Amino acid sequence: DAMVIQNPRYQVTQFGKPVTLSCSQTLNHNVMYWYQQKSSQAPKLLFHYYDKDFNNEADTPDNFQSRRPNTSFCFLDIRSPGLGDAAMYLCATSPRGGNSNQPQHFGDGTRLSIL
Amino acid sequence: GESVGLHLPTLSVQEGDNSIINCAYSNSASDYFIWYKQESGKGPQFIIDIRSNMDKRQGQRVTVLLNKTVKHLSLQIAATQPGDSAVYFCAENICYGQNFVFGPGTRLSVLP
Repeated sequence: DAMVIQNPRYQVTQFGKPVTLSCSQTLNHNVMYWYQQKSSQAPKLLFHYYDKDFNNEADTPDNFQSRRPNTSFCFLDIRSPGLGDAAMYLCATSPRGGNSNQPQHFGDGTRLSIL
Repeated sequence: GESVGLHLPTLSVQEGDNSIINCAYSNSASDYFIWYKQESGKGPQFIIDIRSNMDKRQGQRVTVLLNKTVKHLSLQIAATQPGDSAVYFCAENICYGQNFVFGPGTRLSVLP
């Protein structure tokens, strides 16, 4: 089935050690999102790509970066993870174009732990 | 900025009863709304959506009601089952925009 795949499901890194989370999609959607979700909270949008156009949320820390080398893949880079960055990171996609409303499709997330 | 909020953070219902989960939104420009279900360890899963030109939409065992006058959205689940236990989020979108704003979520617990 077409879907949004996140790897790995669980990631452990050390304080201050760069980490990259991956997302791939087979839906051919032109928008890809990264969310941070902490325990018992709603997903918080970090940034999104509309095709190659990068859109950063105003309150996303500079520590978080993203790359989208092609339609199918998107990466979240955390340059120097702090303890407060431990969370579930969710990738989502959405088709866009024209006058249409479509829901987002989410992956099952990567749970990041910081030692 | 404006945001979507929920009145009840937790809801417990008996198996077989109907559940109603509520959501208040504050942005009158929002014109598309989605309900997601999130089970433990998984990503949010689409349940049902509604556009602002509608006030009711039904799916399988679920109904979404939209009251634009009071900026209120609700999700009704008929004959609630143990598998319905999850956190439910509403999300809003403005004018075919790319951003979705999520509410804080309601945890639904189904009692045997």
